[in-house]
Amino acid sequence: KAGVTQTPRYLIKTRGQQVTLSCSPISGHRSVSWYQQTPGQGLQFLFEYFSETQRNKGNFPGRFSGRQFSNSRSEMNVSTLELGDSALYLCASSYRDSGTDTQYFGPGTRLTVL
Amino acid sequence: DAKTTQPNSMESNEEEPVHLPCNHSTISGTDYIHWYRQLPSQGPEYVIHGLTSNVNNRMASLAIAEDRKSSTLILHRATLRDAAVYYCILSGANYGGSQGNLIFGKGTKLSVKP
Repeated sequence: KAGVTQTPRYLIKTRGQQVTLSCSPISGHRSVSWYQQTPGQGLQFLFEYFSETQRNKGNFPGRFSGRQFSNSRSEMNVSTLELGDSALYLCASSYRDSGTDTQYFGPGTRLTVL
Repeated sequence: DAKTTQPNSMESNEEEPVHLPCNHSTISGTDYIHWYRQLPSQGPEYVIHGLTSNVNNRMASLAIAEDRKSSTLILHRATLRDAAVYYCILSGANYGGSQGNLIFGKGTKLSVKP
């Protein structure tokens, strides 16, 4: 099975712009979660989508949003970029069935805001 | 908050066993103990998880204390490729209604010397 893929891998934007990141989960996985990783804050949960519905959201401003499509692919959007949004954005997919659940992470998208 | 406590860093020699400790004194009865690791420039990857009994897989072993307030990830023979940040995470079961996100702490940075 192919792993989780994220595009693009690297992105450079300027303050005030918006950006859209894409994530393709492992085939058959219905849940996609997004995380932000920075040197100062570490790995922080952004939100989770399951069957096209946002199930859970972390403590991030409304500038961060996402969606999931019927094929489970997901996108996240950041509007009005700030310098502090520079980070590695990671996507993880899982089956999201009952019981414990293993998350499989993609390689991430490295976003640099100038 | 992460709910787990790990040493910031550890060192090991190649081909020697490594014991990575984790304290989770506030663990609840339904929390699973998960370990993920993140190699440089990659997304986190699943290592192992357990509930009450010790667990073994091809990557590692997980030893869980009888009171479940601590656990130890055991790499039987460290290789240079095992140099990574190791995260110990508590994750609830019954995902149908619970949160589908992982709360990452700072983890333990493992260095492996040749």
